[in-house]
Amino acid sequence: GENVEQHPSTLSVQEGDSAVIKCTYSDSASNYFPWYKQELGKRPQLIIDIRSNVGEKKDQRIAVTLNKTAKHFSLHITETQPEDSAVYFCAAFNAGGTSYGKLTFGQGTILTVHP
Amino acid sequence: NAGVTQTPKFQVLKTGQSMTLQCAQDMNHNSMYWYRQDPGMGLRLIYYSASEGTTDKGEVPNGYNVSRLNKREFSLRLESAAPSQTSVYFCASRLDRGLQGTQYFGPGTRLTVL
Repeated sequence: GENVEQHPSTLSVQEGDSAVIKCTYSDSASNYFPWYKQELGKRPQLIIDIRSNVGEKKDQRIAVTLNKTAKHFSLHITETQPEDSAVYFCAAFNAGGTSYGKLTFGQGTILTVHP
Repeated sequence: NAGVTQTPKFQVLKTGQSMTLQCAQDMNHNSMYWYRQDPGMGLRLIYYSASEGTTDKGEVPNGYNVSRLNKREFSLRLESAAPSQTSVYFCASRLDRGLQGTQYFGPGTRLTVL
């Protein structure tokens, strides 16, 4: 089955700096890669996603890049703000076979943005 | 439109007790999922249901059973709770449309087994 590795496990930045979180996946058939943000005590919420036919996607201060050949994808947050502090999860989805939308999640990255 | 709802929000059980976690969605989604979240372990899939009447095991199904009662509801049952099942449980749903279909999560149930 799919295996997703996420790094780093913790990331501390100063307000205004950029933050980058990286994930690798094992199944070359995976074709959908969402990123979730989870604030303390809250549910995971989708912040951005990318499909395998796209190399990069941007939404204001957040961008995601995908390298299918190397099987890795990254989340980039620019001009970080204290409210960006949360746990971020990457995930991979293989639409083939009988997966029925099963997402495989990375272990999560705790991002702390210091004012 | 409430999205995905879960009950209860918190629960404390003694070892060996049983309970059912309830999940419902009002978005007419086909697929529903149960995850558990433990510190440092991310989100692990327990069971999922691709459609009404079908269920399949995920990554960590031992000790759990599920029921897809209808399209809206997907329950998770612990028959004999163990301390290792202390966790936060999230239900999620997804509308299957090819590559589309974000998973939407419920608010979670925090379960402690003593």
